[in-house]
Amino acid sequence: AQSVTQPDIHITVSEGASLELRCNYSYGATPYLFWYVQSPGQGLQLLLKYFSGDTLVQGIKGFEAEFKRSQSSFNLRKPSVHWSDAAEYFCAARWGSGYSTLTFGKGTMLLVSP
Amino acid sequence: KAGVTQTPRYLIKTRGQQVTLSCSPISGHRSVSWYQQTPGQGLQFLFEYFSETQRNKGNFPGRFSGRQFSNSRSEMNVSTLELGDSALYLCASSLGDRGQTEAFFGQGTRLTVV
Repeated sequence: AQSVTQPDIHITVSEGASLELRCNYSYGATPYLFWYVQSPGQGLQLLLKYFSGDTLVQGIKGFEAEFKRSQSSFNLRKPSVHWSDAAEYFCAARWGSGYSTLTFGKGTMLLVSP
Repeated sequence: KAGVTQTPRYLIKTRGQQVTLSCSPISGHRSVSWYQQTPGQGLQFLFEYFSETQRNKGNFPGRFSGRQFSNSRSEMNVSTLELGDSALYLCASSLGDRGQTEAFFGQGTRLTVV
């Protein structure tokens, strides 16, 4: 079955340090891939997306993600974390070129320490 | 342009009652999807509507239903509410075409069943 895995439930990073959040997907075909961020009590905001082409994609708020087909991964990175980045991050995938739905990972809660 | 608007933001209902949630998509978007978010189950797909027709459906009981109007606005209805229906209900708007399109989410409706 199609699935998205985010292995880390919580991650704590010091302000100013670099960040990498992991995401892996299952199922043979390469899906369209997305990262969303959710602040408490809020909806999901799209950070970036990968459809095809360049495997390093840039997003909003200084985030980037790298698609690695060999590892079925789409990890999110940021070189220097700010306290305002504390939130929950969701990786999502959509398979096929048809009208398929988004499959979400369980999310990674990012805590930023001073 | 305006984003996805969900109303109301908060609801408190009693077991056995029914509830209707509303979602207005981004102008020009014809697809509206609904997701349920709970701490235990994460984000789960309920259903998708495109041009007033249900195009996809998740694995939820028949108590959960929806519809879409000619202006693409969508409503979701839950009948005979159960305590377990307490969740954040998120609506996502997209162009709905095949392939490389992204979904944009509203702020959600927080439903509490007591």
